Amino acid sequence: GQQLNQSPQSMFIQEGEDVSMNCTSSSIFNTWLWYKQDPGEGPVLLIALYKAGELTSNGRLTAQFGTTRKDSFLNISASIPSDVGIYFCAGLNAGNMLTFGGGTRLMVKP
Amino acid sequence: DADVTQTPRNRITKTGKRIMLECSQTKGHDRMYWYRQDPGLGLRLIYYSFDVKDINKGEISDGYSVSRQAQAKFSLSLESAIPNQTALYFCAVRGNDAYYGYTFGSGTRLTVV
Repeated sequence: GQQLNQSPQSMFIQEGEDVSMNCTSSSIFNTWLWYKQDPGEGPVLLIALYKAGELTSNGRLTAQFGTTRKDSFLNISASIPSDVGIYFCAGLNAGNMLTFGGGTRLMVKP
Repeated sequence: DADVTQTPRNRITKTGKRIMLECSQTKGHDRMYWYRQDPGLGLRLIYYSFDVKDINKGEISDGYSVSRQAQAKFSLSLESAIPNQTALYFCAVRGNDAYYGYTFGSGTRLTVV
């Protein structure tokens, strides 16, 4: 099946630092989604990207749909303790099926 | 009330036992999904259903079965649980509009001993 490689697998950063994570795929996706999962909860949609090259922001979060349609990036600026969690990228293919990356576990030190 | 409700939230069961995980939704969406989450592997699709009469296998359907009892209800069964089915299980729903994301339930943590 389709594979999404998400990196890094984990990050331990100082409060106030910026964060970058990315996903790459061997396949093309029509839509890229970024989710956050808080402990004990299901993933919640943060940002959706629908066109190659699209750059979308949601508060301190900015995500980009790669021009090749095979990658996507998520940046978090000025991290705060509540940013802690697992971030997942996901790609939606032409058949409207979602494939998830392995997740990036973010830990923030106050 | 939550849009997607999963029960139970936690369950410990013995090897060989049959167990059912339930999912109900209030969003009125046709598309429902069951995913399994293991550390470092993201979420993997077990089964999905696009309407009451439609059931499809996902990436890792072996050892699982599902039932779509109504538009709002989609249950996942483990006929004979084994320890490597210990995981976090999520139900998700999605509208027919291609621009809708998936809405997830809060998950069921299943431990098979």
